[in-house]
Amino acid sequence: DAGVIQSPRHEVTEMGQEVTLRCKPISGHNSLFWYRQTMMRGLELLIYFNNNVPIDDSGMPEDRFSAKMPNASFSTLKIQPSEPRDSAVYFCASSLAGRGKQFFGPGTRLTVL
Amino acid sequence: AQTVTQSQPEMSVQEAETVTLSCTYDTSESDYYLFWYKQPPSRQMILVIRQEAYKQQNATENRFSVNFQKAAKSFSLKISDSQLGDAAMYFCAYRMEGGSEKLVFGKGTKLTVNP
Repeated sequence: DAGVIQSPRHEVTEMGQEVTLRCKPISGHNSLFWYRQTMMRGLELLIYFNNNVPIDDSGMPEDRFSAKMPNASFSTLKIQPSEPRDSAVYFCASSLAGRGKQFFGPGTRLTVL
Repeated sequence: AQTVTQSQPEMSVQEAETVTLSCTYDTSESDYYLFWYKQPPSRQMILVIRQEAYKQQNATENRFSVNFQKAAKSFSLKISDSQLGDAAMYFCAYRMEGGSEKLVFGKGTKLTVNP
């Protein structure tokens, strides 16, 4: 079985540019999560969807961040404009709602210069 | 708000020995899940073990087992017969039963396995 797929694996961009991270959840999973990992703040939830609907976006840092889930097999996290403090590893995870186990993708390492 | 605390930033163990990683959490909920995730240098987050709070029996997965003390809000991970491949960051995490599916993570413990 394919796990959670994220692209790109690495992204280097300059301040002010738009960044789009992509995620394909495990087939059949109906909850999708975006987490960010930094040295200072550790792992924190940005937003999660259930059945393609955003449920909790309280972790989205500011209006520069947006996330969409147009269908059950695809989600994007967009940062516009990007800033150096957005440099982090961004993980996507998916689960069957209510089952508790979240399976993580390999992450995208974002560097904003 | 729920919080998860891992008080050991770093631990080390000799190959083939046993090590225990500590985790405490704070919640007012009675039903919840607890997890241990492993993050090797590849940075992939790997689910190691899950515990449902309503179960009194401690979860085990091969060489990995937990000591779940609900009243003390403690959830430690024991790794038996440690192997070089166990070297990684280990994160303890909490999730409510029902309601939000959000995982709340501790800051992690870096485990070194010495040959």
